[in-house]
Amino acid sequence: SYVLTQPPSVSVAPGQTARMTCGADNIGRRSVHWYQQKPGQAPVLVVHDESDRPSGIPERFSGSNSGNTATLTISRVEAGDEADYYCQVWDSSSHHVVFGGGTKLTVL
Amino acid sequence: EVQLVQSGRGLVQPGGSLRLSCAASGFTFRSYDMNWVRQAPGKGLEWVSYISSDGRTIYYADSVKGRFTISRDNAKNSLYLQMNSLRAEDTALYYCARRPLYSNYALCDHWGQGTLVTVSS
Repeated sequence: SYVLTQPPSVSVAPGQTARMTCGADNIGRRSVHWYQQKPGQAPVLVVHDESDRPSGIPERFSGSNSGNTATLTISRVEAGDEADYYCQVWDSSSHHVVFGGGTKLTVL
Repeated sequence: EVQLVQSGRGLVQPGGSLRLSCAASGFTFRSYDMNWVRQAPGKGLEWVSYISSDGRTIYYADSVKGRFTISRDNAKNSLYLQMNSLRAEDTALYYCARRPLYSNYALCDHWGQGTLVTVSS
């Protein structure tokens, strides 16, 4: 089965840039999506297909994907960005949706 | 406004059954594929099942295959998850989620509020 690996936690000061990675074999060949989940809330899609943002998501959120690593970047981090972030792909060989284990973003 | 309203929360004994429902409104439900995703307490997201808009294509996670059944009633704008032979490890918050039209199979653009399933004796 296809496995997505995310670091458990990332910490960043307000106003700085947060980068959260999602590693997997040749992930650069797949469409990667990112979700933000705040405590007690349902997940919210923040980036899809590597770098596209749904309407209403600030331009501060961006994504990239190459080789074995996809990255979600949040520029000018705000306290309200503190949340868990999950990467996700479709594994066509198994017909499964795959989520990474999630990264907890802490704003210092 | 797109809305996915879930019902069917409950406490069930190991080996028991439960059916979850997800009522859709604000969009043409019959045109959209749907997913179920769950989250055990304090854990990450785990995909459970997928169903195509016409109900003809269905996929399951290995952890639930043979025990759970996904279905939909497009006339009632509703999605279901029938859960049988429940185990303690099925305890989780279950979300229904919509796949946007013409998008990657994994993508979920709208989510229900979640419904809690607790499997315990």
